[in-house]
Amino acid sequence: ETGVTQTPRHLVMGMTNKKSLKCEQHLGHNAMYWYKQSAKKPLELMFVYNFKEQTENNSVPSRFSPECPNSSHLFLHLHTLQPEDSALYLCASSYDRVNQPQHFGDGTRLSIL
Amino acid sequence: EDKVVQSPLSLVVHEGDTVTLNCSYEVTNFRSLLWYKQEKKAPTFLFMLTSSGIEKKSGRLSSILDKKELFSILNITATQTGDSAVYLCAVEFRDSNYQLIWGAGTKLIIKP
Repeated sequence: ETGVTQTPRHLVMGMTNKKSLKCEQHLGHNAMYWYKQSAKKPLELMFVYNFKEQTENNSVPSRFSPECPNSSHLFLHLHTLQPEDSALYLCASSYDRVNQPQHFGDGTRLSIL
Repeated sequence: EDKVVQSPLSLVVHEGDTVTLNCSYEVTNFRSLLWYKQEKKAPTFLFMLTSSGIEKKSGRLSSILDKKELFSILNITATQTGDSAVYLCAVEFRDSNYQLIWGAGTKLIIKP
């Protein structure tokens, strides 16, 4: 149990579907992150929220849309994805945005047909 | 261009051996370097290093940072099969925003 819970664990969707990934942290942290992890590539930071405000969007295509209703919950809304978007999507949280280790969830394995 | 390079990319050793994993970086306005262990799922935090020459230790794992030569090493002594994992290095720095960039990882396999 990492304190960061992601659902679903696995998701298979077609390119025209709309789905959402959910992340919840029980650690009292103020910053939350979405990462994409593809095989044999470094983790790619997608979005950062600090105190519910989005602070970074690292050139992520608009077919990925984040939402952070409060400091404990983070969503990633998906629509019209491409096959190259198949990857492990990891959520993380930290107490503060800087100089703090991030705690990760187990990820959602996403496959785009 | 800011970057983090880990070496080797993969390593196979026998149980009981000692291993040294490397992480070198080129960033401006360095703040910290972090090590994580990733088995099948969530990366788990190992160490955060901010000062040169101060070893951090946790059981059989230890790590040290050299801010002059811009690298860090992660040592694992008396390796066990449970140490098999991908070890990730990340560097926090600041440009217009605070940034964290990751290396591609070192895949470590411990043979019984």
